[in-house]
Amino acid sequence: SQQGEEDPQALSIQEGENATMNCSYKTSINNLQWYRQNSGRGLVHLILIRSNEREKHSGRLRVTLDTSKKSSSLLITASRAADTASYFCATEGGGSNYKLTFGKGTLLTVNP
Amino acid sequence: GAGVSQSPSNKVTEKGKDVELRCDPISGHTALYWYRQSLGQGLEFLIYFQGNSAPDKSGLPSDRFSAERTGGSVSTLTIQRTQQEDSAVYLCASSLSGIGTGELFFGEGSRLTVL
Repeated sequence: SQQGEEDPQALSIQEGENATMNCSYKTSINNLQWYRQNSGRGLVHLILIRSNEREKHSGRLRVTLDTSKKSSSLLITASRAADTASYFCATEGGGSNYKLTFGKGTLLTVNP
Repeated sequence: GAGVSQSPSNKVTEKGKDVELRCDPISGHTALYWYRQSLGQGLEFLIYFQGNSAPDKSGLPSDRFSAERTGGSVSTLTIQRTQQEDSAVYLCASSLSGIGTGELFFGEGSRLTVL
């Protein structure tokens, strides 16, 4: 079954640096979403990009989608210690399959 | 309510016992999802509801797992004869979208520990 796979599994950076996380998937999608999870908490939606979109921005977040390569990236600019969390991509299957499938996530640590 | 509510937040049970986990979605949300997350892992899809029907229950690990949703609102995930490998955080999410998946709103999860 299709699934987003994030890369890298873990990323450690200094405050102020940019963080880039990648997601690859296997089959056609309707949309791709990014979520954030603080340790021991539920997931929070960050951004949704549709299959006919190539780039989307939200505050310090920039998401790109390349459907020909079946990949997406999440860029967090000017990172802060509070950005420390796990980040997951999730794909909604093509057609009428509305199941949202999550990857294993990238653990981002932003050091003050 | 203001958000997705799950209960209990923590459940410790003995192997072989049955457990029920409850999810109260955001009012008016037609889609409801159950996921399972083991320690340090990603989310494993279990089942999703559109209204009271479950178009996709392909993720339920075995026939010991079942879920229902009544009145297009509250959902219950039941695990019968629990096993130690069932230990995980069970996350529920709801979505407003009737067609296609929009933003999912997650509860804080129910942490299940099977001894």
